[in-house]
Amino acid sequence: QLQLQESGPGLVKPSETLSLTCTVSGGSISSTSYYWGWIRQPPGKGLEWIGTIYYSGNTYYNPSLKSPVTISVDTSKNQFSLKLSSLTAADTAVYYCARRYGDSSGSGYQYYFDYWGQGTLVTVSS
Amino acid sequence: DIVMTQSPDSLAVSLGERATINCKSSQSVLYRSDNRNYLAWYQQKPGQPPKLLIYWASTRESGVPDRFSGSGSGTDFTLTISSLQAEDVAVYYCHQYYSTPDTFGQGTKLDIK
Repeated sequence: QLQLQESGPGLVKPSETLSLTCTVSGGSISSTSYYWGWIRQPPGKGLEWIGTIYYSGNTYYNPSLKSPVTISVDTSKNQFSLKLSSLTAADTAVYYCARRYGDSSGSGYQYYFDYWGQGTLVTVSS
Repeated sequence: DIVMTQSPDSLAVSLGERATINCKSSQSVLYRSDNRNYLAWYQQKPGQPPKLLIYWASTRESGVPDRFSGSGSGTDFTLTISSLQAEDVAVYYCHQYYSTPDTFGQGTKLDIK
């Protein structure tokens, strides 16, 4: 059974950089049929897609995000990571990592999220 | 960006009755080359991550009870729970993956009447 687990700090100061890691178990992050993504949910609000990465390193980001984003992958550790910089209070949210079914040719076509981590609450506050 | 608008924002249905949630996209999410609607539905219970229920607008995910069904095409979609069970109390989200960035509906909260 595939499992995803987010890890990282629960509290970050404004203007600093958030670093989160998602560890995948029960399956390979190098599978050609899947992409790996980050989604966030502010307390009591809806879902926002942050970005996605393919095992090859190809990345896809939400251009609507105000904070600079970088997603990377480490296939040797079966992990992928999120860096979000210049944080503000508006970045306070539960951050989820998720697997995303996609086109196996590596075309970049990505579809629905079928497995999610439990999420980690990140609070931006001084 | 494609705007996804769900209705209603909340509803309460009696146990065993039908629940219907609507989702409207600001532009079509039907990809003509493969004739598939790039739309999914998720269920989120308090303190839990979203769970995939339906993809391609009407394909039920493995293990999802058959009382859940999805329908619609183009810009108008519906999630139907044919006979509401107590464990179906949750917030439901639609999600379009037709174009970047992905966008989600604002959520519909479903309770027992």
